[in-house]
Amino acid sequence: SQKIEQNSEALNIQEGKTATLTCNYTNYSPAYLQWYRQDPGRGPVFLLLIRENEKEKRKERLKVTFDTTLKQSLFHITASQPADSATYLCALLMYSSASKIIFGSGTRLSIRP
Amino acid sequence: NAGVTQTPKFQVLKTGQSMTLQCAQDMNHEYMSWYRQDPGMGLRLIHYSVGAGITDQGEVPNGYNVSRSTTEDFPLRLLSAAPSQTSVYFCASSYGVSREVPDEQFFGPGTRLTVL
Repeated sequence: SQKIEQNSEALNIQEGKTATLTCNYTNYSPAYLQWYRQDPGRGPVFLLLIRENEKEKRKERLKVTFDTTLKQSLFHITASQPADSATYLCALLMYSSASKIIFGSGTRLSIRP
Repeated sequence: NAGVTQTPKFQVLKTGQSMTLQCAQDMNHEYMSWYRQDPGMGLRLIHYSVGAGITDQGEVPNGYNVSRSTTEDFPLRLLSAAPSQTSVYFCASSYGVSREVPDEQFFGPGTRLTVL
């Protein structure tokens, strides 16, 4: 079955640095991959979507890469701010699987001033 | 627009009781789905719908029923609550869907359910 691993449960970095979060998957190749932000006690909020034939996507300070050979997506936040502190989830979306959508368990990012 | 709304926000049930979690969206989205989120396990898809009258099972459908009589509403029914169903439940909707896989999803605020 499909499995997703997000690099670590928690990541602490200094304000102004670039935060890099990793999402690794096994088995089937997804049709595309999404990243969401989740704050405590709230529902996830969509950030970016990247398709299997795209290498990179950008939105303001956010960048996502997708390497189907390595079966990995990297999520970058440049010039990080304390307001970026949250849990970030990756999700694989697959045409070929009955499950259709699999979420990772998330990485809790803390940006210290 | 209110977006995706869920009621109730909190609920405590006794084992064996039944209840319905309500979900509504006002964005005219075709795709709607229900997830449960447990600590350390990420979101898991329970059921989804690609349009009124069409529903299908996700990864963890056992113990849950859904129906989709209108585009706006997608209620989730717990038939006979069990302690293993203690979780936070999220409803989501999406405008775009291709081969039952949704585009950007909009999530509701969640329902925190405890089954004693």
